[in-house]
Amino acid sequence: EPEVTQTPSHQVTQMGQEVILRCVPISNHLYFYWYRQILGQKVEFLVSFYNNEISEKSEIFDDQFSVERPDGSNFTLKIRSTKLEDSAMYFCASSGPRSPSGVPQETQYFGPGTRLLVL
Amino acid sequence: LAKTTQPISMDSYEGQEVNITCSHNNIATNDYITWYQQFPSQGPRFIIQGYKTKVTNEVASLFIPADRKSSTLSLPRVSLSDTAVYYCLRTLTGGGNKLTFGTGTQLKVEL
Repeated sequence: EPEVTQTPSHQVTQMGQEVILRCVPISNHLYFYWYRQILGQKVEFLVSFYNNEISEKSEIFDDQFSVERPDGSNFTLKIRSTKLEDSAMYFCASSGPRSPSGVPQETQYFGPGTRLLVL
Repeated sequence: LAKTTQPISMDSYEGQEVNITCSHNNIATNDYITWYQQFPSQGPRFIIQGYKTKVTNEVASLFIPADRKSSTLSLPRVSLSDTAVYYCLRTLTGGGNKLTFGTGTQLKVEL
């Protein structure tokens, strides 16, 4: 079964540094997402991306965040100047237009996540 | 989408059937009910989706009564590997819609 991959699996950075989290969505998918999960808390939506532009973003996704699809396979999340409170697990997801038989078209497939620790 | 309500935690033993109920009193006509599973330090994984009545796949069954104000995820004969957090979500069809997760139900399966 195709899967979403993410790199790195872990990243430690100093406050104020820039980080880039990388994702390779499932190859025929058209919709891409970033979510984050602070330790012990809910999975929170950050941003969705379609047709090379942001479709929707949450209040968390402020000017310090940006997303890019630099080529046909990668989808990246950049945090320009990290804060302590950015420490979390970051999940990339992708969806549509085709899913395995019996699975709804809009089902989002999540990657394994990148654990970001800001010191 | 407004929130759903589900128990914070449940305990079970291997081989038992587990039913997790979710309340969604204000569900809208366009909403589907979708369940995801999350293991520690992993991304959520789709389990099942339904609109009304009963849906079954190789992993679980989903029961949604006619008023659609609640739903029940049924896991037959659980094993230790089913220990995870289970999320009940209201979702829209079509691509690109964000998922809104609640706190989920932490299921713990013991021997």
